[in-house]
Amino acid sequence: DGGITQSPKYLFRKEGQNVTLSCEQNLNHDAMYWYRQDPGQGLRLIYYSQIVNDFQKGDIAEGYSVSREKKESFPLTVTSAQKNPTAFYLCASTEWGGNQPQHFGDGTRLSIL
Amino acid sequence: AQRVTQPEKLLSVFKGAPVELKCNYSYSGSPELFWYVQYSRQRLQLLLRHISRESIKGFTADLNKGETSFHLKKPFAQEEDSAMYYCALSGGYNKLIFGAGTRLAVHP
Repeated sequence: DGGITQSPKYLFRKEGQNVTLSCEQNLNHDAMYWYRQDPGQGLRLIYYSQIVNDFQKGDIAEGYSVSREKKESFPLTVTSAQKNPTAFYLCASTEWGGNQPQHFGDGTRLSIL
Repeated sequence: AQRVTQPEKLLSVFKGAPVELKCNYSYSGSPELFWYVQYSRQRLQLLLRHISRESIKGFTADLNKGETSFHLKKPFAQEEDSAMYYCALSGGYNKLIFGAGTRLAVHP
């Protein structure tokens, strides 16, 4: 089944710990995105990347970091600086240009122990 | 500021009734608008986009620039339409600005 794979499905973080969420796509898409979904707030953009080795901050980047070393991979690290990390995280990808629709993964639910 | 507003958190209708999910936007340029849907236990997926002017699963949405709206409509709701619906605005660089979402519940 092609598309976007996010792992793990559930993740727990201890105080002061960094955790990394995985996002892999086999759609050969150039652009990848990370969103945070909270109840009643829709999806908010954390980071996005248009090409390999380049990424930009979204609206709520504080406390998060990303890398884009390969076209198919865009991992998100939730650092200890993120004081309210409990949320549902969605990864998406799209072809570049012309406001193409985004394809989403199944998401990772992060909780605090 | 770029913003998408979905005023209803929950819309509850009976099967066969008409449905209208409201979406208003704020954008200084020429907007690209989308409706995404998330059915229970499924991924968020594209339902329709305004430039294609398609009807998907009986849903249509017309961009009204004067009222800055992109309401989603269906004349006769089905139980399988029950889902979370998000209106989204493309804010450049393929970035999407989402509304808070409306949960549609269609009762038998």
